[in-house]
Amino acid sequence: EAAVTQSPRSKVAVTGGKVTLSCHQTNNHDYMYWYRQDTGHGLRLIHYSYVADSTEKGDIPDGYKASRPSQENFSLILELASLSQTAVYFCASSEPRTGLSGNTLYFGEGSRLIVV
Amino acid sequence: GQQVQQSPTSLVLQEGENAELQCNFSTSLNSMQWFYQRPGGSLISVFYNPSGTKQSGRLTSTTVIKERRSSLHISSSQITDSGTYLCAMVPGTGGYKVVFGSGTRLLVSP
Repeated sequence: EAAVTQSPRSKVAVTGGKVTLSCHQTNNHDYMYWYRQDTGHGLRLIHYSYVADSTEKGDIPDGYKASRPSQENFSLILELASLSQTAVYFCASSEPRTGLSGNTLYFGEGSRLIVV
Repeated sequence: GQQVQQSPTSLVLQEGENAELQCNFSTSLNSMQWFYQRPGGSLISVFYNPSGTKQSGRLTSTTVIKERRSSLHISSSQITDSGTYLCAMVPGTGGYKVVFGSGTRLLVSP
């Protein structure tokens, strides 16, 4: 069974503080993603990575950094947390896109971040 | 503009009624997928359906690439179907980004 685990599952952070969200996958997948979800909205891509030691900007990268130290681990870093970054964050992994097999995504349980 | 438009935004059904959820794409697509999400929960893949029609139990997904649309049909809805359904696509322009729609919130009442 494919598995993506996130930590912490919830966190309250102070404005201006540093927050690190961690993601670990045991799927042996090359691709990993960080999304945020806001109430009433779909998921928006923050950063993604298709190989260790390399990350790519998604659609809303401002205010976020990402780190992919190994194939299994992918972190999202908020250097200076702001109120607008209060959201639920999801990590996902997928296999490389090959023909019709595509990018079936496997998601973690989400990390609820509240910035006060 | 938004690449993925989902409709309706929300839907309320009585148990036993059918539901039709739609996704329209503003660009060509390489593949698409339907997800189900419980309130406060993770996302679970319902269908990976880049083209054609797939059925699993009471759920049927149809993707028509040329028309840039996909639908999810739920027959004989049950209370446990309640939640949010999101569609996601990989644009045909290449790359590895998966783009999501805003979702359809489904509430099935007794």
